[in-house]
Amino acid sequence: QKEVEQDPGPLSVPEGAIVSLNCTYSNSAFQYFMWYRQYSRKGPELLMYTYSSGNKEDGRFTAQVDKSSKYISLFIRDSQPSDSATYLCAMSEKTSYDKVIFGPGTSLSVIP
Amino acid sequence: DTGVSQDPRHKITKRGQNVTFRCDPISEHNRLYWYRQTLGQGPEFLTYFQNEAQLEKSRLLSDRFSAERPKGSFSTLEIQRTEQGDSAMYLCASSLALRGDTQYFGPGTRLTVL
Repeated sequence: QKEVEQDPGPLSVPEGAIVSLNCTYSNSAFQYFMWYRQYSRKGPELLMYTYSSGNKEDGRFTAQVDKSSKYISLFIRDSQPSDSATYLCAMSEKTSYDKVIFGPGTSLSVIP
Repeated sequence: DTGVSQDPRHKITKRGQNVTFRCDPISEHNRLYWYRQTLGQGPEFLTYFQNEAQLEKSRLLSDRFSAERPKGSFSTLEIQRTEQGDSAMYLCASSLALRGDTQYFGPGTRLTVL
C-alpha cells in the first residue's frame, strides 16, 4: 500500500460544476497537508496549505483535512476550463516537514 | 521572473551518456530540493540542501546520481551513465528553512534517454 492514495481519474465535469478531489493516507504522523495544481509539462504550483485537521477556504477552493479518517479533500466551486489540470495532494510529518510525499495526482478536465 | 528556474527545459541523450541539470532557486530561499516525476505519478523526493549542506538523500538516488550546491545558491544534479529508466521530469523546488514553509517548484527538466 502506498503512503498516499489518490484516484487518478480522469475526471471530466461541465463548467460551473463543483469538483471534489480526495486523498487517503496511511501515515498518522502526517501533519502538513498541501494541494498542488500541475498543468501539462509544467512544475507543480501550490494551491492550498493546511496544518492538521479542519477546513481552509481561498476563493473558489476549499481544503478539508480529517485526520481521524486519514482523508483530505479539495473542493473547487464554479469550476472553469482553466482549472483543467492534474491535482496533486501532498503531505509531510511535523518532524521531517521537508520530506514531502505526493499522491499520484488526479487529472481534471472542465468542459466549457 | 523571481521564481525557481531550471535549465535545460528538455534534454535528449543516449544511454550511457552523462547529463547535468541546473536549478536556480528563489533568491532568499536557503532550502533546495530535487524531485523526479514519471508519467502518471506525483513527484518523488530525491534530495535536499540547506545552504550548501546536503541534508538528506532518498534511496532512489543511486550512485550514478550526484547533486551539489557549492555556494548555497544554485544547484546541479548530475546523472552518470544514463539508463532508459532515468527518463523522467526532474523538478527542483525551494523554500525558506521555516517549519511549515512550503516548497515552490520550477518548471522542470524533461530527460529522455534513448
